Amino acid sequence: GNSVTQMEGPVTLSEEAFLTINCTYTATGYPSLFWYVQYPGEGLQLLLKATKADDKGSNKGFEATYRKETTSFHLEKGSVQVSDSAVYFCALSDRLGGAQKLVFGQGTRLTINP
Amino acid sequence: NAGVMQNPRHLVRRRGQEARLRCSPMKGHSHVYWYRQLPEEGLKFMVYLQKENIIDESGMPKERFSAEFPKEGPSILRIQQVVRGDSAAYFCASSPEDTQYFGPGTRLTVL
Repeated sequence: GNSVTQMEGPVTLSEEAFLTINCTYTATGYPSLFWYVQYPGEGLQLLLKATKADDKGSNKGFEATYRKETTSFHLEKGSVQVSDSAVYFCALSDRLGGAQKLVFGQGTRLTINP
Repeated sequence: NAGVMQNPRHLVRRRGQEARLRCSPMKGHSHVYWYRQLPEEGLKFMVYLQKENIIDESGMPKERFSAEFPKEGPSILRIQQVVRGDSAAYFCASSPEDTQYFGPGTRLTVL
Protein backbone atom coordinates (compact mmCIF):
# COMPACT_ATOMS: atom_id res chain seq x y z
CA GLY A 1 0.00 0.00 0.00
CA ASN A 2 0.91 3.66 -0.01
CA SER A 3 3.40 4.88 2.56
CA VAL A 4 5.46 7.89 3.61
CA THR A 5 8.92 7.80 5.15
CA GLN A 6 10.36 10.81 6.91
CA MET A 7 13.77 11.69 8.18
CA GLU A 8 14.03 10.55 11.76
CA GLY A 9 14.27 13.15 14.44
CA PRO A 10 14.72 14.88 16.63
CA VAL A 11 16.46 17.62 14.69
CA THR A 12 18.11 20.46 16.59
CA LEU A 13 19.40 23.56 14.84
CA SER A 14 20.53 27.02 15.73
CA GLU A 15 18.51 30.05 14.71
CA GLU A 16 19.13 31.18 11.10
CA ALA A 17 20.42 27.74 10.07
CA PHE A 18 19.30 26.05 6.86
CA LEU A 19 16.68 23.33 7.30
CA THR A 20 16.00 20.20 5.28
CA ILE A 21 13.59 17.49 6.40
CA ASN A 22 13.58 14.56 4.00
CA CYS A 23 10.38 12.86 2.90
CA THR A 24 9.98 10.03 0.41
CA TYR A 25 6.82 8.24 -0.57
CA THR A 26 5.53 5.08 -2.18
CA ALA A 27 2.28 5.38 -4.05
CA THR A 28 0.31 4.08 -6.98
CA GLY A 29 -1.09 6.75 -9.20
CA TYR A 30 -0.45 10.44 -8.63
CA PRO A 31 -1.19 11.50 -5.08
CA SER A 32 -1.16 15.03 -3.76
CA LEU A 33 1.59 15.70 -1.22
CA PHE A 34 1.40 17.76 1.94
CA TRP A 35 3.43 19.08 4.82
CA TYR A 36 1.59 19.65 8.10
CA VAL A 37 3.01 21.27 11.25
CA GLN A 38 1.95 20.52 14.81
CA TYR A 39 2.83 22.95 17.57
CA PRO A 40 2.87 21.68 21.17
CA GLY A 41 -0.59 20.78 22.42
CA GLU A 42 -2.28 21.76 19.17
CA GLY A 43 -3.75 20.12 16.11
CA LEU A 44 -2.18 19.90 12.68
CA GLN A 45 -1.97 22.95 10.48
CA LEU A 46 -1.49 22.69 6.75
CA LEU A 47 1.89 24.21 5.90
CA LEU A 48 2.04 23.63 2.15
CA LYS A 49 0.96 21.25 -0.57
CA ALA A 50 1.66 20.20 -4.15
CA THR A 51 -0.76 18.37 -6.39
CA LYS A 52 1.34 17.26 -9.34
CA ALA A 53 4.89 16.51 -10.39
CA ASP A 54 7.31 19.48 -10.38
CA ASP A 55 4.87 21.64 -8.43
CA LYS A 56 6.49 23.66 -5.66
CA GLY A 57 4.51 24.39 -2.51
CA SER A 58 5.59 27.31 -0.37
CA ASN A 59 4.44 29.11 2.76
CA LYS A 60 6.07 31.13 5.55
CA GLY A 61 9.51 30.68 4.01
CA PHE A 62 9.15 26.89 3.75
CA GLU A 63 9.29 25.17 0.37
CA ALA A 64 8.93 21.65 -0.98
CA THR A 65 9.00 20.38 -4.58
CA TYR A 66 7.07 17.34 -5.80
CA ARG A 67 9.73 15.12 -7.40
CA LYS A 68 8.19 12.18 -9.19
CA GLU A 69 11.52 10.77 -10.41
CA THR A 70 12.87 10.44 -6.87
CA THR A 71 9.43 10.07 -5.19
CA SER A 72 10.39 12.80 -2.76
CA PHE A 73 8.92 15.94 -1.21
CA HIS A 74 11.67 17.34 0.98
CA LEU A 75 10.89 20.35 3.18
CA GLU A 76 13.37 23.24 3.17
CA LYS A 77 13.75 26.63 4.79
CA GLY A 78 16.66 28.98 4.31
CA SER A 79 16.77 30.53 7.77
CA VAL A 80 14.86 28.99 10.66
CA GLN A 81 13.51 30.81 13.70
CA VAL A 82 12.85 29.70 17.27
CA SER A 83 9.13 29.88 16.50
CA ASP A 84 9.55 27.10 13.89
CA SER A 85 10.07 24.57 16.68
CA ALA A 86 7.34 21.98 16.19
CA VAL A 87 6.68 18.51 14.79
CA TYR A 88 6.49 18.33 11.00
CA PHE A 89 4.50 15.65 9.18
CA CYS A 90 4.76 14.72 5.53
CA ALA A 91 1.62 13.17 4.07
CA LEU A 92 0.11 11.97 0.82
CA SER A 93 -3.49 11.72 -0.20
CA ASP A 94 -4.66 8.23 -0.95
CA ARG A 95 -7.81 8.61 -2.92
CA LEU A 96 -9.88 5.45 -3.03
CA GLY A 97 -13.48 5.42 -4.13
CA GLY A 98 -13.98 9.08 -3.31
CA ALA A 99 -12.38 9.00 0.12
CA GLN A 100 -9.23 11.07 0.38
CA LYS A 101 -7.38 9.38 3.21
CA LEU A 102 -4.17 11.03 4.28
CA VAL A 103 -1.23 8.72 4.87
CA PHE A 104 1.26 10.31 7.26
CA GLY A 105 4.91 9.85 7.97
CA GLN A 106 5.95 9.35 11.55
CA GLY A 107 6.77 13.02 12.09
CA THR A 108 10.02 14.89 12.66
CA ARG A 109 10.46 16.91 15.83
CA LEU A 110 12.36 20.15 15.16
CA THR A 111 13.91 22.27 17.89
CA ILE A 112 15.48 25.62 17.10
CA ASN A 113 17.82 27.11 19.70
CA PRO A 114 18.38 30.86 19.94
CA ASN B 1 -15.36 31.27 9.30
CA ALA B 2 -14.59 29.27 12.43
CA GLY B 3 -12.22 26.36 12.08
CA VAL B 4 -12.91 22.74 12.85
CA MET B 5 -14.17 22.45 16.41
CA GLN B 6 -13.60 19.44 18.63
CA ASN B 7 -14.73 18.82 22.17
CA PRO B 8 -13.85 17.99 24.73
CA ARG B 9 -10.18 18.87 24.38
CA HIS B 10 -9.24 16.50 27.15
CA LEU B 11 -11.19 13.45 28.29
CA VAL B 12 -10.36 11.08 31.11
CA ARG B 13 -12.15 7.75 31.38
CA ARG B 14 -11.73 4.65 33.49
CA ARG B 15 -11.42 1.27 31.86
CA GLY B 16 -14.82 -0.03 30.78
CA GLN B 17 -16.45 3.39 30.41
CA GLU B 18 -17.62 4.98 27.18
CA ALA B 19 -15.94 7.89 25.45
CA ARG B 20 -17.77 10.25 23.10
CA LEU B 21 -15.75 12.66 20.99
CA ARG B 22 -17.45 15.40 19.00
CA CYS B 23 -16.38 17.22 15.87
CA SER B 24 -18.03 20.17 14.14
CA PRO B 25 -16.64 20.67 10.63
CA MET B 26 -15.95 24.02 9.06
CA LYS B 27 -18.99 25.72 7.61
CA GLY B 28 -19.70 24.42 4.13
CA HIS B 29 -17.59 21.29 4.52
CA SER B 30 -19.46 18.04 3.98
CA HIS B 31 -16.58 15.58 4.40
CA VAL B 32 -15.34 14.52 7.84
CA TYR B 33 -12.34 12.33 8.62
CA TRP B 34 -11.20 10.91 11.95
CA TYR B 35 -7.56 10.08 12.71
CA ARG B 36 -5.83 8.66 15.76
CA GLN B 37 -2.37 9.66 16.92
CA LEU B 38 -0.58 7.40 19.36
CA PRO B 39 2.27 8.95 21.39
CA GLU B 40 5.30 9.82 19.26
CA GLU B 41 3.65 8.50 16.10
CA GLY B 42 2.03 9.92 13.01
CA LEU B 43 -1.70 10.06 12.49
CA LYS B 44 -3.53 6.97 11.30
CA PHE B 45 -6.77 7.17 9.32
CA MET B 46 -9.82 5.72 11.03
CA VAL B 47 -13.00 6.65 9.17
CA TYR B 48 -14.40 8.96 6.48
CA LEU B 49 -17.99 10.20 6.63
CA GLN B 50 -20.34 12.40 4.73
CA LYS B 51 -23.68 13.55 6.09
CA GLU B 52 -25.60 10.47 7.31
CA ASN B 53 -23.20 8.11 5.54
CA ILE B 54 -20.05 6.20 6.46
CA ILE B 55 -18.01 6.11 3.26
CA ASP B 56 -14.85 4.33 4.40
CA GLU B 57 -14.25 2.80 7.83
CA SER B 58 -11.28 0.65 6.87
CA GLY B 59 -9.13 2.14 9.66
CA MET B 60 -11.63 1.59 12.47
CA PRO B 61 -11.07 -1.24 14.94
CA LYS B 62 -13.73 -3.88 14.37
CA GLU B 63 -15.07 -3.78 17.90
CA ARG B 64 -16.03 -1.03 20.36
CA PHE B 65 -15.52 1.86 17.91
CA SER B 66 -18.26 3.56 15.92
CA ALA B 67 -18.75 6.88 14.17
CA GLU B 68 -21.65 8.89 12.84
CA PHE B 69 -22.26 12.19 11.11
CA PRO B 70 -25.97 12.97 11.42
CA LYS B 71 -27.95 15.33 9.26
CA GLU B 72 -27.96 17.86 12.09
CA GLY B 73 -25.22 18.30 14.64
CA PRO B 74 -21.60 17.28 14.97
CA SER B 75 -19.87 14.09 13.97
CA ILE B 76 -19.43 11.69 16.90
CA LEU B 77 -16.69 9.13 17.45
CA ARG B 78 -17.80 6.68 20.11
CA ILE B 79 -15.57 4.24 21.93
CA GLN B 80 -17.29 1.71 24.15
CA GLN B 81 -15.66 -0.12 27.06
CA VAL B 82 -12.41 1.80 26.75
CA VAL B 83 -9.08 0.13 27.46
CA ARG B 84 -5.71 1.68 28.26
CA GLY B 85 -4.57 1.15 24.68
CA ASP B 86 -7.24 3.60 23.51
CA SER B 87 -5.32 6.45 25.14
CA ALA B 88 -4.34 8.72 22.26
CA ALA B 89 -5.10 12.00 20.57
CA TYR B 90 -8.07 11.82 18.23
CA PHE B 91 -8.20 14.36 15.44
CA CYS B 92 -11.05 15.28 13.20
CA ALA B 93 -10.55 16.92 9.81
CA SER B 94 -13.04 18.37 7.38
CA SER B 95 -12.74 19.25 3.75
CA PRO B 96 -14.82 20.68 0.94
CA GLU B 97 -13.11 18.50 -1.65
CA ASP B 98 -9.34 18.15 -1.50
CA THR B 99 -7.41 19.75 1.34
CA GLN B 100 -8.20 18.62 4.87
CA TYR B 101 -8.34 21.07 7.77
CA PHE B 102 -7.75 19.67 11.23
CA GLY B 103 -9.32 20.41 14.56
CA PRO B 104 -7.30 20.79 17.77
CA GLY B 105 -7.91 17.20 18.78
CA THR B 106 -9.28 15.39 21.81
CA ARG B 107 -6.71 13.84 24.09
CA LEU B 108 -8.20 10.72 25.63
CA THR B 109 -6.61 9.25 28.73
CA VAL B 110 -7.83 5.91 30.03
CA LEU B 111 -6.98 5.18 33.64
